[in-house]
Amino acid sequence: EIVMTQSPATLSVSPGERATLSCRASQSVSSNLAWYQQKPGQAPRLLIYGASTRATGIPARFSGSGSGTEFTLTISSLQSEDFAVYYCQQYNNWPLTFGQGTKVEIK
Amino acid sequence: QVQLQESGPGLVKPSETLSLTCAVSGYSISSGYYWGWIRQPPGKGLEWIGSIYHSGSTYYNPSLKSRVTISVDTSKNQFSLKLSSVTAADTAVYYCARLEVVTAIFDYWGQGTLVTVSS
Repeated sequence: EIVMTQSPATLSVSPGERATLSCRASQSVSSNLAWYQQKPGQAPRLLIYGASTRATGIPARFSGSGSGTEFTLTISSLQSEDFAVYYCQQYNNWPLTFGQGTKVEIK
Repeated sequence: QVQLQESGPGLVKPSETLSLTCAVSGYSISSGYYWGWIRQPPGKGLEWIGSIYHSGSTYYNPSLKSRVTISVDTSKNQFSLKLSSVTAADTAVYYCARLEVVTAIFDYWGQGTLVTVSS
């Protein structure tokens, strides 16, 4: 099983600032990595797949990068609606695995 | 617009079987895609349980495989989850979702349903 490790666990950011979230895989997942956003009481929403491709309707302020074992999700200028928990997920191998999440909170 | 809706008991007794159904609208299960279940214990992260193709082929998380059965009913356009011998550790919000076949990313999700295991 591929273990996904996200850091930091919590990120405190002021509105308008940049947020950088990290995700590390225990072995290479190539570019087979997705990012999801989850707000309280809601299902996760797909943001990024293929490590860097934005899903339909996702604003350009969200960007993903990386390959192999190291990945980054960047939110260029945080809006109020971006404060949420973010999960990475690898789909290079079964079983599909998620990171433990990074909570982006208002500073 | 693809929509998924979970249904089933919100309370299950320890050692019994948890049973949930996911009704799909706006897309025919028979047309393709994988369909899967993911759970999230209160205040914790996401765990993939398993996925099924419309043909019936399945993938299960090895950590749950001995207790999980996922099935599909194309005539009703729905798929189901059974998890046997539940304990309090199985208390979670259970989500159903659609997975792309090539990428195995979850592109559409149900709203989730909380299942509590308690006597």
